[in-house]
Formats: sequence, C-alpha cells, structure tokens
Amino acid sequence: ELKVEQNPLFLSMQEGKNYTIYCNYSTTSDRLYWYRQDPGKSLESLFVLLSNGAVKQEGRLMASLDTKARLSTLHITAAVHDLSATYFCAVVNMEYGNKLVFGAGTILRVKS
Amino acid sequence: NAGVMQNPRHLVRRRGQEARLRCSPMKGHSHVYWYRQLPEEGLKFMVYLQKENIIDESGMPKERFSAEFPKEGPSILRIQQVVRGDSAAYFCASSQQGGGVTEAFFGQGTRLTVV
Repeated sequence: ELKVEQNPLFLSMQEGKNYTIYCNYSTTSDRLYWYRQDPGKSLESLFVLLSNGAVKQEGRLMASLDTKARLSTLHITAAVHDLSATYFCAVVNMEYGNKLVFGAGTILRVKS
Repeated sequence: NAGVMQNPRHLVRRRGQEARLRCSPMKGHSHVYWYRQLPEEGLKFMVYLQKENIIDESGMPKERFSAEFPKEGPSILRIQQVVRGDSAAYFCASSQQGGGVTEAFFGQGTRLTVV
C-alpha cells in the first residue's frame, strides 16, 4: 500500500521566519504534487515534481524531491500572513493505480 | 475554458435520503476522480472513471455508494440512504490522461451535510 506522511501536521510561525514541511512516501513515485487549500475552498496546484533532484520555486515557496530518500520538502522563506493555508503533498504511483494518494496535510498559520 | 464544475456546492440531506453530486470535467478531459475529505483530514480516493467505465473503485464503500460517468453529461456520485458519517466535502478532479501522466485539476467541491 502506498502511504504518504507529512510533518508537521500543524505549524504556527511568525512572519519573516523560514520553515520546512516534509513529505515522506512509502514506495517509488511517478509524480509528486504539492497543493494549497484555503478553508472551505478547493485545492490549488502549486508544484509538480517528476525526477530525483527536481527543485521548483514560486515566490516564497520552494519544493524539492529526493526519490532515493522518498522525501519531498516544501520550504517557506520569510513567511507572510497570506501563506496561511493547509498544504498537501500527493503521490502518484502507477503500480498502485491511477490516483493521487494524499498526505494528511499541514495546517500553516503565519502570525503577524 | 471553464475549470472542473461541481454542483451543488452545498447539499443538506436528512438521514435516509439520497444525495447526488455532479461533476463536469474540464473540456477535453475524459478521466474523472472522486475524493472525499472529512473535516480536518486529507483527501481520500474513492473512484476513478473514464467515459462509461469504472477503472478503479477501490476507495468506494461497498454499500450505498455508486458512481457513473456516462457518454454524455456529467459524472455522478450517488449516495443512497445517507447517514451522518457521510457528511464531508466531496471533490472531483479531471485529467486529460490517466495514470498521473497529465495533471489532475480539482473542482470546488460539494459539501454534504447530513442532518
């Protein structure tokens, strides 16, 4: 069974600080996604990571993938209040069917 | 090009009634996925459909739940004889190809409340 674990599950941080969210998965991945979800809203795709060593950046968020360690990270630089949301990683592995398997999510609260 | 459209956005049903949730995929997308999100939890896969076919229903409860994606019209997730535990947000996603080959895009979700 493909399992995806995120930590921390809850993160409270001050504006201007840096932090990292971790996503571990149990088998090889064909694709790894990071999503953002605001309360009561749908999921917004942030990054798609395909290969070992892939790094993508958008604004204050940077995602990386280490397929050997089965680990992806989402790094937040100089957090601002607008980044407050829930962040999910999700993995697709074709051996386990054509579906996304999600982590439990990380609730991020950025305090002014 | 409109995104994935789900309706209704909010649905209230009494215990024992039926709930029908609709999902129109993005134009050109023939693969549809349904996920359920319980409060404060991640999304759990329910079913994957391609036009007129159920490809993977490994996440669907064996009873009361069914899904279809007809040749014409939206995909429908049907829940019969709803119970309070069915209260959740149900999200639909669509993709151009299956197997994670192309990215899946999510709809706004239907929030089902069973009273």
